[in-house]
Amino acid sequence: EIVLTQSPGTLSLSPGERATLSCRASQSVSSSYLAWYHQKPGQAPRLLMYGASSRATGIPDRFSGSGSGTDFSLTISRLEPEDFAVYYCQQNGSSPPSVTFGQGTRLEIK
Amino acid sequence: QVQLVESGGGLVKPGGSLRLSCAASGFSFSDYYMSWIRQAPGKGLEWVSYISSSGSSKYYADSVKGRFTISRDNAKNSLYLQMNSLRAEDTAVYYCARVRRGGYYYMDVWGKGTTVTVSS
Repeated sequence: EIVLTQSPGTLSLSPGERATLSCRASQSVSSSYLAWYHQKPGQAPRLLMYGASSRATGIPDRFSGSGSGTDFSLTISRLEPEDFAVYYCQQNGSSPPSVTFGQGTRLEIK
Repeated sequence: QVQLVESGGGLVKPGGSLRLSCAASGFSFSDYYMSWIRQAPGKGLEWVSYISSSGSSKYYADSVKGRFTISRDNAKNSLYLQMNSLRAEDTAVYYCARVRRGGYYYMDVWGKGTTVTVSS
């Protein structure tokens, strides 16, 4: 089973700053099957990125994703107040069929 | 609009059973795989199960295999999760989500969740 490890656990930044979140897989993952979500308190998760670098509908272009193999990242170019949330990466495995989430990165206001 | 609404959560004793439902609207339900994901209090997301569009293929996390059963009724635009032999560690908010596949795999629509509490 592939394990996704996100870092850092908590990231403290100010609005306007740049945020870079990391997601490392225990073995190589197809970038097609790597997605990112964020979740605000009391809300359901929301899809941000799929295929590692494609933005979901309605996601602003300050969000970008990159990576391949075992190392993926999500970058927020200029933080807005609404971006402070918990961020999760997710991958889909085929042997056996399964879905794995990272443990999350909490992005908090400094 | 595209919407998923979960129901059926509640308080149940260890060893008990519960059936969750997820009502879909605003899209062609029978065209999509569907999934259940849960989140224990203060914890991260944990995938539980997913089911193919026809219902013929079902997959489960090891933590629930043999105890939970996913199913769907495409005529009723509904997804279900039958949970048996419940344990304290099954306490969580349970979300249903629409799965997008075909060269990718991600969950693009989520419900607001239903809370399951397993406690004596």
